Order: sequence, then structure tokens, then C-alpha cells
Amino acid sequence: ETGVTQTPRHLVMGMTNKKSLKCEQHLGHNAMYWYKQSAKKPLELMFVYSLEERVENNSVPSRFSPECPNSSHLFLHLHTLQPEDSALYLCASRRDRNTGELFFGEGSRLTVL
Amino acid sequence: AQKITQTQPGMFVQEKEAVTLDCTYDTSDQSYGLFWYKQPSSGEMIFLIYQGSYDEQNATEGRYSLNFQKARKSANLVISASQLGDSAMYFCAMRGNQVDRDDKIIFGKGTRLHILP
Repeated sequence: ETGVTQTPRHLVMGMTNKKSLKCEQHLGHNAMYWYKQSAKKPLELMFVYSLEERVENNSVPSRFSPECPNSSHLFLHLHTLQPEDSALYLCASRRDRNTGELFFGEGSRLTVL
Repeated sequence: AQKITQTQPGMFVQEKEAVTLDCTYDTSDQSYGLFWYKQPSSGEMIFLIYQGSYDEQNATEGRYSLNFQKARKSANLVISASQLGDSAMYFCAMRGNQVDRDDKIIFGKGTRLHILP
């Protein structure tokens, strides 16, 4: 139990669907991250938010749209995804954008049909 | 550019033996930090240990220690007295120390460790 909760844990969607992944942390952290984990590839940093402001967008396609309404919540809105987007999406939080280790959620396993 | 390399895709180790997981890194930053994470089959990434580049002593956390060799740019994880519960993927990671890099933490491809009874 890291204090970072992701929902749903598993999601299957068609290419034309719109869905969202949710991440919540109760650690009082100020920075939140989305990573993508595909088979046989390193974790890929997607987005970084610090104090609800997006500070990093790592060349992610626009079909992924992040939202950070407050420092405790982070969403990843999904629209018109491709089968190659199937992966484990990991949310993490950090005390500040440049301090401390990442605390990860258990991930949302996404399958795009 | 920053890079993490883990050359061992998989390892098999007998229970109670010590195991060393290799990690080399590349960075132009003078100050940086190195992390190790464990990922069991459940998917959650668990923080194990951290080493700052200016820390004079190797980091230790219980059965975990980090063999930091700055000149060789290596940060190997040593697990002493391995247990069956240590079976998992292990990731080496690094943060930079520049304005545009200190909030990025990049990861290696990982090493899958199997502990044999």
C-alpha cells in the first residue's frame, strides 16, 4: 500500500471508445506522473504535473489527454486509441518535482481491441 | 542524453544466496540520483533504495545495498540472503539535476529475478 490508488485496474476498450484512467494520492505530494509500461520496453514517461501545472509532455500523441484538477488527483483521458497503446499505465507521485522517490500505484492494465 | 542500461534480462538464483543486479548509467549532470525499484507480478512498483551522486557511502536498506562506483558509472543492487518473495522485476532508475531534468526519472529495461527454492 503506497498511498497511490489507480482505477480501473483493468480496462478493455475499442478504438472508437472514450475512457479515462484515474489516479489518487493521499500523501500530500505536489508532483504526479503518468508512465506507460509496454512489454520489453523501459518505462516511458508520459506526463509530469507539479502543483497542478503540466511541466512535462514527453511527445505523447494527442489521443492521450491528461488532467490534474488538484494535487491529489490525476486523470488520463483516452480517445481513439490504437492497439499498440495496450500497456500498463502507471501513476506515481512525488513529494516535489525534484525531491524524493516516486510512489507508484498498482497500474491500470489497458487493452485496446 | 541520460540513459540507464540493465544488461541482465533474467537471473536465476538459489534461495539464501546473495544476488547482484547490474546497472550502468550515462549522464552529463554533475549531481544526480539513482534508484532501484521492485515490481512483483501484481504490477506495483516498490521503491527499494536511493543513492545520491555526492553520497560518500554506499546506500543500504535492510537486505538491499547499492554498490555505487561513480567512476565506472555503475550502481549495482545487491540483495543479501535472497528469499522466495524477492522474485520480481527490478528496475534501475535515475534522476538528473538540471532544471529540465530533475523532475524526470528515467528507467532501465529491468531484470527479472527468479529465486529458486
